[in-house]
Amino acid sequence: EAQVTQNPRYLITVTGKKLTVTCSQNMNHEYMSWYRQDPGLGLRQIYYSMNVEVTDKGDVPEGYKVSRKEKRNFPLILESPSPNQTSLYFCATVRANVLTFGAGSRLTVL
Amino acid sequence: AQSVSQHNHHVILSEAASLELGCNYSYGGTVNLFWYVQYPGQHLQLLLKYFSGDPLVKGIKGFEAEFIKSKFSFNLRKPSVQWSDTAEYFCAIAPSGGSYIPTFGRGTSLIVHP
Repeated sequence: EAQVTQNPRYLITVTGKKLTVTCSQNMNHEYMSWYRQDPGLGLRQIYYSMNVEVTDKGDVPEGYKVSRKEKRNFPLILESPSPNQTSLYFCATVRANVLTFGAGSRLTVL
Repeated sequence: AQSVSQHNHHVILSEAASLELGCNYSYGGTVNLFWYVQYPGQHLQLLLKYFSGDPLVKGIKGFEAEFIKSKFSFNLRKPSVQWSDTAEYFCAIAPSGGSYIPTFGRGTSLIVHP
């Protein structure tokens, strides 16, 4: 079954404590992307990757890092989380412009 | 750069009412168009898409959308909504002819009362 798997699904952390949200796909898609979803703001793209070792900033990259060392994984790294990064995060793969989303990761930064 | 505008942020309907959600986009070239749906507590999933051909596109669960090129619009419609259609709906576009990642509108929250 085609899947995009994110972990953790829920996380409460404190300001400044580094965290990583993992994303893994089993569809061998080249394109992957991270979005954050906030009430009234819809989906905003954080970073995307067109292939291994190729990443680029989306609309709201500040405070985030990503890496793409292998095709199946695209982790989102928050080096020093702040409360304004409290949000619902979605990882997605893209093929022929169509997105397949993960289940989402709800992050709360206190 | 492309952008997407969804006019209705919140829509409340009774069951069996007709639905139309507006979506307009801005882009200088040819686009692919999408509607995604997010049911409460779930991730987004594709409702329907338009790449080319007949501008009236039918999707899952009785939804359809019409691409009007002259108006840069891709409105979503359903003749008779059900309580289970309560969800958030997102319009998205991507430049056609390449593997571009779509740009989303801000979403429309639809509540259907039984």
